[in-house]
Amino acid sequence: DGGITQSPKYLFRKEGQNVTLSCEQNLNHDAMYWYRQDPGQGLRLIYYSQIVNDFQKGDIAEGYSVSREKKESFPLTVTSAQKNPTAFYLCASSIAGVMNTEAFFGQGTRLTVV
Amino acid sequence: AQSVTQPDIHITVSEGASLELRCNYSYGATPYLFWYVQSPGQGLQLLLKYFSGDTLVQGIKGFEAEFKRSQSSFNLRKPSVHWSDAAEYFCAVGAIRGATNKLIFGTGTLLAVQP
Repeated sequence: DGGITQSPKYLFRKEGQNVTLSCEQNLNHDAMYWYRQDPGQGLRLIYYSQIVNDFQKGDIAEGYSVSREKKESFPLTVTSAQKNPTAFYLCASSIAGVMNTEAFFGQGTRLTVV
Repeated sequence: AQSVTQPDIHITVSEGASLELRCNYSYGATPYLFWYVQSPGQGLQLLLKYFSGDTLVQGIKGFEAEFKRSQSSFNLRKPSVHWSDAAEYFCAVGAIRGATNKLIFGTGTLLAVQP
C-alpha cells in the first residue's frame, strides 16, 4: 500500500541532544513537508521541499534542519538549538505545490524532551 | 496575509444531531480549501476539498462543506453525527506566502459526541 511512514512513533530526547525523525513515502510525490503540532496552535510549517536536493524554510525553521537526498525520504533533525522541542511532528507529501493538490500525512512522531 | 480562523475550539454534540463546524479564511485570490480530520495521536485524513466549481462539496464519511465567497467561509456540515466522528477537525487553505506554496491551517475544533 502506498503511503507515508514516520518513525519512530514515540521519541525521547535528553536536553542538549540532536535527534532525527524519519519520513519515507512511496507515493512518488515531489513535494514533502514537516509540520509541528502543539495543542491549540494548529499545524505550523517547519520546512518543505519541492524537489530533490532543494528545500525551503517554513514559519518556524529555527532549531531544525532537513535534507532531501532522495525523492522518497525527508528526514528532520531537531537540534539542541530548538528551545522547546517537545511536540507532535507530522510529515506530509503532495504531487506538486500544495495549493492545488491535497497533502497526505504520516501518523506522526511524538517527541518528548526529558 | 493569508490566514484561517476556526472560532470554535471545542464543540459537543449528541449522537444523531446535526453538526456544523465553522471556518473563515483570509486570502486575496480564489482559495483552495480543505477540511482534515485527526484522531488522537494520529495523522490527518482529508475529508474534502474545494478548488473551483460547485460551491457545495461532498466528502467522505457523510461530510459536506459549502464555500461562500461573500462570507469568506467554508463551513463543514454533517446531518447526523456518529460517535466515531469524535476527533479534531482542521480547516486549511492552500496559499502562496513569499516563495512558499503551502497549507495554512486553522487551530482546529475538537469535537466530542455525547451518547
